[in-house]
Amino acid sequence: GENVEQHPSTLSVQEGDSAVIKCTYSDSASNYFPWYKQELGKGPQLIIDIRSNVGEKKDQRIAVTLNKTAKHFSLHITETQPEDSAVYFCAASRGYQLIWGAGTKLIIKP
Amino acid sequence: GAVVSQHPSWVICKSGTSVKIECRSLDFQATTMFWYRQFPKQSLMLMATSNEGSKATYEQGVEKDKFLINHASLTLSTLTVTSAHPEDSSFYICSAGLAGGVEQYFGPGTRLTVT
Repeated sequence: GENVEQHPSTLSVQEGDSAVIKCTYSDSASNYFPWYKQELGKGPQLIIDIRSNVGEKKDQRIAVTLNKTAKHFSLHITETQPEDSAVYFCAASRGYQLIWGAGTKLIIKP
Repeated sequence: GAVVSQHPSWVICKSGTSVKIECRSLDFQATTMFWYRQFPKQSLMLMATSNEGSKATYEQGVEKDKFLINHASLTLSTLTVTSAHPEDSSFYICSAGLAGGVEQYFGPGTRLTVT
């Protein structure tokens, strides 16, 4: 069935450096790719999303890129800050549902 | 905009009892609501999808008689865990979607502990 693979499972970066998280999807019909940030004990928060007719989208320090041919998309966070520490999930649409990646724990080292 | 609330944020109940969790879209009408379950250090697992005024669609392996979902209005969906057992202890999260859209907006989650 459809699945979304996410890497790495854990990412540790120095404060101020960039972080990149990658996802691949299998369903060529997927056309919506959101990224969520989840802090401990809280619900996921949508931080950025991209649709299949766009290759890149940016919002301040956060950007997402999409390669439809290769079926992968990535989250880029620049100038990381301590408050960026959280678990990040990617997802791909399947109809009106979302197929989720396994999550990446991002650790920002001071 | 697109704020979703859940109540309660945490609940402790005894084995054999039932507990109801509410999910509300506060500033928009949610045609579709989703219920997820999340175990520690794991991803979200979709339990069921509910559309206002119709029966929920449950994912494979989810007992519909145990996890009762009601979506009575465009702003409220409820999940009732019936005859709860310790293995039902988990973090339950709802999300809501706009009509015709695929975006999902999440509630803050409910921590259920069954003793």
